[in-house]
Amino acid sequence: NAGVTQTPKFQVLKTGQSMTLQCAQDMNHEYMSWYRQDPGMGLRLIHYSVGAGITDQGEVPNGYNVSRSTTEDFPLRLLSAAPSQTSVYFCASTPGGGGYTFGSGTRLTVV
Amino acid sequence: DAKTTQPPSMDCAEGRAANLPCNHSTISGNEYVYWYRQIHSQGPQYIIHGLKNNETNEMASLIITEDRKSSTLILPHATLRDTAVYYCIVRAFNAGNNRKLIWGLGTSLAVNP
Repeated sequence: NAGVTQTPKFQVLKTGQSMTLQCAQDMNHEYMSWYRQDPGMGLRLIHYSVGAGITDQGEVPNGYNVSRSTTEDFPLRLLSAAPSQTSVYFCASTPGGGGYTFGSGTRLTVV
Repeated sequence: DAKTTQPPSMDCAEGRAANLPCNHSTISGNEYVYWYRQIHSQGPQYIIHGLKNNETNEMASLIITEDRKSSTLILPHATLRDTAVYYCIVRAFNAGNNRKLIWGLGTSLAVNP
């Protein structure tokens, strides 16, 4: 199993550009989530999904969209990038209970 | 989900036991205690979780007080590779409602040679 795979690992965007951060897991986990991590702050939940076709907002959802068309994939879309979205983004999955499996992260810089 | 309190940093000598404390005085009856660690800038790694009984796996031991208001993660023989930020999280076992899941700043553990 590859676990949770995030792409790209690094990205630089200009203000106003849009992009999609990809997240895929091969463990058949129902629950997936996106976090951002900023210096001096803990992980903050952006959006999460409890199964295909079901998504909900987390703590900091503004400026981000998600969809869950399959169990495996949970892409995060930045609609119009802003410098405040410069961060490290982590995708995670869990079968419902137990611990989360995290991806290796996407380091995004918005200039 | 309940909030946790951890010391910001700790040191440990290589080969010795590292005991990382966590306070979670507002924990609810259905909430588990989870521990993760984050090495450098990698994604967090799950270590162990428990409800009220002590737990042990190949990575660590988790000791939960009888009143469940605090816990201790024990790395029995710390190595340099255990240098990381350790997070203590409390949440209900059902992951379906995680809007209030709170990740603090954790404890930065430095294992020294």
